[in-house]
Amino acid sequence: KQEVTQIPAALSVPEGENLVLNCSFTDSAIYNLQWFRQDPGKGLTSLLLIQSSQREQTSGRLNASLDKSSGRSTLYIAASQPGDSATYLCAVNSYNQGGKLIFGQGTELSVKP
Amino acid sequence: NAGVTQTPKFQVLKTGQSMTLQCAQDMNHNSMYWYRQDPGMGLRLIYYSASEGTTDKGEVPNGYNVSRLNKREFSLRLESAAPSQTSVYFCASSENWGNEKLFFGSGTQLSVL
Repeated sequence: KQEVTQIPAALSVPEGENLVLNCSFTDSAIYNLQWFRQDPGKGLTSLLLIQSSQREQTSGRLNASLDKSSGRSTLYIAASQPGDSATYLCAVNSYNQGGKLIFGQGTELSVKP
Repeated sequence: NAGVTQTPKFQVLKTGQSMTLQCAQDMNHNSMYWYRQDPGMGLRLIYYSASEGTTDKGEVPNGYNVSRLNKREFSLRLESAAPSQTSVYFCASSENWGNEKLFFGSGTQLSVL
């Protein structure tokens, strides 16, 4: 059974710092991995989707990498801003789950001015 | 472009009452999903509809029923609400099943007393 873990559960950084959020998964037979952002009281917004054949995806100040063999993905946020404060979730779509996404519990990020 | 719209945003029920959560998407997506989000449990899939005319159980289907009314609309029904169904419910859609970016609604906060 696929399990997705995100560590740390919470992170606080000063504005301007570059930071890395981690996601690990137990079954490397995946179709893809998605990173989402969730603001308090809101739904999830998809940030980046990495297919299993890709190593990384970039969107603006965000860069997500994928290492299937080690069961890891990282979300790199450059030059963090207070507006980046939110919970970041990763979700894995694996063969053995029949196409259903399995979510991690998220990292709550706070960027202090 | 509204994306995924859920109603209601908030609801309080008494144990044993029934209700239907409505979801509509205007992106011409084939696949739609219902998730629940609970503290410490993350997001869990309740039911999904891979395409119009089909529905399937997810990870936690007990106590729920769904209807894919047409390509745009996917409703979730609680026949006899229980306190364990207190949660935040999210509807989501994707262009196709299994390998696509997910788009989420803003959620329904449900309390069952």
